[in-house]
Parts: sequence; C-alpha cells; structure tokens
Amino acid sequence: DQQVKQNSPSLSVQEGRISILNCDYTNSMFDYFLWYKKYPAEGPTFLISISSIKDKNEDGRFTVFLNKSAKHLSLHIVPSQPGDSAVYFCAANNAGNMLTFGGGTRLMVKP
Amino acid sequence: DVKVTQSSRYLVKRTGEKVFLECVQDMDHENMFWYRQDPGLGLRLIYFSYDVKMKEKGDIPEGYSVSREKKERFSLILESASTNQTSMYLCASTKSGSGYGSYEQYFGPGTRLTVT
Repeated sequence: DQQVKQNSPSLSVQEGRISILNCDYTNSMFDYFLWYKKYPAEGPTFLISISSIKDKNEDGRFTVFLNKSAKHLSLHIVPSQPGDSAVYFCAANNAGNMLTFGGGTRLMVKP
Repeated sequence: DVKVTQSSRYLVKRTGEKVFLECVQDMDHENMFWYRQDPGLGLRLIYFSYDVKMKEKGDIPEGYSVSREKKERFSLILESASTNQTSMYLCASTKSGSGYGSYEQYFGPGTRLTVT
C-alpha cells in the first residue's frame, strides 16, 4: 500500500500561470517532506522541503504547503515557466535517513 | 559541488545475464541507496547501506543483491537478469544524522537498463 500518493499523473499549465501539484500521505509519523524535480535522463534533484512543525515554506517561485490534519501537501509554482516542465516527486521521511516517494506528476508548461 | 556518478547511462543485457551497476559518491556520505523508477510507481527502494559492508533490504529486494566494500562505492547486482527488471535505476546518497539536513538525498543520473 502506497503511503505517499500523487493522484494526478500529469498536469498541463500555461506559461505564467500557477502550477499546483498535490501529494497525500497516510503515515502520521512522517515528520519531514521534500519535493524533487526530475528531467528525462537525469537523476532527481532536490527542490524544496518542509518540516511538520511548519505549514508553509517558500523559496522564490516555489512554495510548499502542509496540511497535517488532512495529511496533504502541495507545491505551488508561480509563475510557471517552460523550463519547469519535468516530473515532480514528493517524498516523506519518518525514520533515519529513509524517504518514501510518491508516484510522480508530470508537469507540462506550455509557452 | 556534490556528485554522484553511475557507471553506465544506458545498458542492454540478455535474460539470465549477471549485471553490475556501480555508483560512486564524492561527498563522504555514510548512507547510500539503490532505487528503481517505473512509470506511476515512483521511486522504490531496493537496498540501502549505512556503512561499509553493511546493507539493509528495501521494499523490493527480490532478484537483487548489493556490495559496499568502500565508503564511496555502492554496487547493485542482478544475479540473473529478467525482463521485469527493465527499468531506470537510480543511486542516491546522504549523510548520517538526525537533523533535517540529513534527509536530503543526492541522486546520480540514473542507468536505463533494458533486459531482452
């Protein structure tokens, strides 16, 4: 059973608009969440993270929101750019240095 | 600049062959991981290692083994490759510790393995 789920396999957004990628989790012991970005034929790269004691973390055009009661987090990209087109993975940590990953969402930003 | 390298970007092997995938990191990280990535399934952990000669099974270890003889190097071995092991294989590393900074994993570029 997947403990971290990204229910939208793909998302298409117009350049300049907001992209919202969602992630749900089931394990209430997760205490740290990360978003990774992956281009084809490259490894994932870290994008932004949030600890469970916060509900928002912002870094430039990227903001992650955490709703612990709903076990839901989202990544907002504003404004979206064509170079943001990639697969985005959310991941969660609950023990040691282990991460549990979601299935990924492919974002396509149209010029 | 942190770096994780993998021995091959693309690999084609025949069913039944023994396959070695190598990963090297230059960050002096204690922890190293092997994942496979399949569409819709995200990254699934095969094995990880938290020290030289130490290994732990991940979520999908069947059909795989690993070796860590040196701190910087972590090898994934497919004893007898099968077509269902066709996938993208990703290696990652991270430092040990309990702080949030130790949770961020650094990934290599991946190896696209095709078993025919």
